[in-house]
Amino acid sequence: GAVVSQHPSRVICKSGTSVKIECRSLDFQATTMFWYRQFPKQSLMLMATSNEGSKATYEQGVEKDKFLINHASLTLSTLTVTSAHPEDSSFYICSARPTGAGQSGNTIYFGEGSWLTVV
Amino acid sequence: GNSVTQMEGPVTLSEEAFLTINCTYTATGYPSLFWYVQYPGEGLQLLLKATKADDKGSNKGFEATYRKETTSFHLEKGSVQVSDSAVYFCALSARGQGGATNKLIFGTGTLLAVQP
Repeated sequence: GAVVSQHPSRVICKSGTSVKIECRSLDFQATTMFWYRQFPKQSLMLMATSNEGSKATYEQGVEKDKFLINHASLTLSTLTVTSAHPEDSSFYICSARPTGAGQSGNTIYFGEGSWLTVV
Repeated sequence: GNSVTQMEGPVTLSEEAFLTINCTYTATGYPSLFWYVQYPGEGLQLLLKATKADDKGSNKGFEATYRKETTSFHLEKGSVQVSDSAVYFCALSARGQGGATNKLIFGTGTLLAVQP
């Protein structure tokens, strides 16, 4: 089946530094990718929709200057957490919709997720 | 707004026991409903789905019926196996304002632990 890979799977960074998380679709092209974050015992919350070649669409309450999203190619989207603080520690997971696929949920494929710990 | 509520875990069962994980939703219009599963160390995978009222989604022995009257989509399996141990997420997909791209709205996830 379709594979979406995230890297790194775990990262620890110091407060005030920036960290980049990559999301790659390995065997399909994805015009649209989605970034979620999950706090312990809470739902996955959609942060932004990443569109290849254009600006990401952020959900209400998500700081676009803090969570920089770049979708420069049809197989790669990156999420950069800038000036990270301990409260940014979370599980970040991406998903990708194959180009040309319908908009029903069964055409969305998820990565393995990335654990970010800011110390 | 749209939301999903699912039962808190963890749910611990013995092998071959009957499983129910409750899921209810709030949505405008007619959403599609999904169950995703996340095995340890892996990404979310679609387990089953239903797109309209009274539809039954099924896969790998799991079933869920879209009940509009009770706004529910409970996940069931008659006989669980150790290999079913995972986190299960209920989700809905509803078109946003102005017909914008569908987004998935998730419940909090329920950890299922099946013991031999």
